[in-house]
Amino acid sequence: QKEVEQNSGPLSVPEGAIASLNCTYSDRGSQSFFWYRQYSGKSPELIMFIYSNGDKEDGRFTAQLNKASQYVSLLIRDSQPSDSATYLCAVNINQFYFGTGTSLTVIP
Amino acid sequence: EAGVAQSPRYKIIEKRQSVAFWCNPISGHATLYWYQQILGQGPKLLIQFQNNGVVDDSQLPKDRFSAERLKGVDSTLKIQPAKLEDSAVYLCASSPTGGEQFFGPGTRLTVL
Repeated sequence: QKEVEQNSGPLSVPEGAIASLNCTYSDRGSQSFFWYRQYSGKSPELIMFIYSNGDKEDGRFTAQLNKASQYVSLLIRDSQPSDSATYLCAVNINQFYFGTGTSLTVIP
Repeated sequence: EAGVAQSPRYKIIEKRQSVAFWCNPISGHATLYWYQQILGQGPKLLIQFQNNGVVDDSQLPKDRFSAERLKGVDSTLKIQPAKLEDSAVYLCASSPTGGEQFFGPGTRLTVL
C-alpha cells in the first residue's frame, strides 16, 4: 500500500459546481496534511493545510480531515475554469509523501 | 518577498554525464527540500535539510546523487553519472517551520 493515495481522475465538473477531491493515507500517526495545486508545466503551489480533525475553510476551498478513517478531502465550491489543474495531497509521515495527484477539469 | 529560486530551468545531458542544480530558498526559511517529479507522478522527496544538517535522505540514491547546503542557505543537488531514468523535474522547496512548503519553479532535466 502506498503511503498516500489519490484517484488520478480525470475529474470533470461544470463551472459553478462543487469539486470533491479525496486522499487516503496509510499511517494513523500522521499529523499534518496539505493540498497543493499544480498547473501543467508549473511547480506545486500550496492551497491549504490542516492539522486537526474536522473542516477548515479558506475562501472557496474547504479541507476536511478524518483521522479515524485516514482520509483528507478538498472541496472547491463555485468551481471556475481557472481551477482546472492537478491537485496533490501531501502527508507528513515522518517525511513528506505526495500522492500522484487528481486531474480536475472545470467545464465552462 | 522573493520566492524560491532555482537554476538552471532546463538542462539536457547525455547519460553518464554529471549535472548540478542550484537552489536559493526564501529568506529565513530553515528547512529546504529537494524533490524529484517524474511526469505523471507526485513529487518524491530526495533530501530534507534543517539549516545545514540533513534531516532525511532515505530516498536519495547515494551512489549517484549528492546534495549539500553550505552555511544553511543555498543548496546544490548533483547527479553523477546520470541515467536515462533520471529524466524528471527537480523541485526545490523551503519552509519556515518544516510544515507548509513553498516550491521553486523547478529544473527540467532530460537525459539522452
